[in-house]
Amino acid sequence: NAGVMQNPRHLVRRRGQEARLRCSPMKGHSHVYWYRQLPEEGLKFMVYLQKENIIDESGMPKERFSAEFPKEGPSILRIQQVVRGDSAAYFCASSPSVNWDQPQHFGDGTRLSIL
Amino acid sequence: QQQVKQSPQSLIVQKGGIPIINCAYENTAFDYFPWYQQFPGKGPALLIAIRPDVSEKKEGRFTISFNKSAKQFSLHIMDSQPGDSATYFCAASIGRGGGSNYKLTFGKGTLLTVNP
Repeated sequence: NAGVMQNPRHLVRRRGQEARLRCSPMKGHSHVYWYRQLPEEGLKFMVYLQKENIIDESGMPKERFSAEFPKEGPSILRIQQVVRGDSAAYFCASSPSVNWDQPQHFGDGTRLSIL
Repeated sequence: QQQVKQSPQSLIVQKGGIPIINCAYENTAFDYFPWYQQFPGKGPALLIAIRPDVSEKKEGRFTISFNKSAKQFSLHIMDSQPGDSATYFCAASIGRGGGSNYKLTFGKGTLLTVNP
């Protein structure tokens, strides 16, 4: 079974450019979560999506950030007009449901660097 | 506002030692407490998790102790090995519709080094 696949693993952007991060959940998982990890910090919840729907985006910055999980294809986290403070590791997780006995499985992340 | 406080920030033990990592939470609505292990360049991997209806859970060399009244929980690693060297994160979440596996709130992590 393939795990959660994230790409690219590393992404370098200049200030003002757009960053697109992709996440393919594990097979059979319809729930996707995005987290951001700053250096020396724990992961911070950003958004929870279920196929074609945003369920909870309470952790998303109000501007420049958006997420989608289309019917076909991977989930996308999009950051417009990136700034230096967006430099972080972005992790995607997936699960088959929100039941406690079906935990979230994480991908290996995308390390975003802003020049 | 940090809802889950983790300590220590770093920990060094000798092989065979029993490192203990502690976490304290504020929100009494939390009802699911997992621990994750993260190696450099990798994503977090679930180690063990506990719900507040039990005070202790063991899986292999890993044990979670949970104190609901004190709002604290801890991870013990028995007979630690150099391969256990990693960053450990505690987390907590609130049940949603009976489930409790969404919107994880993480501690800041503990860097564990196990010397040979």
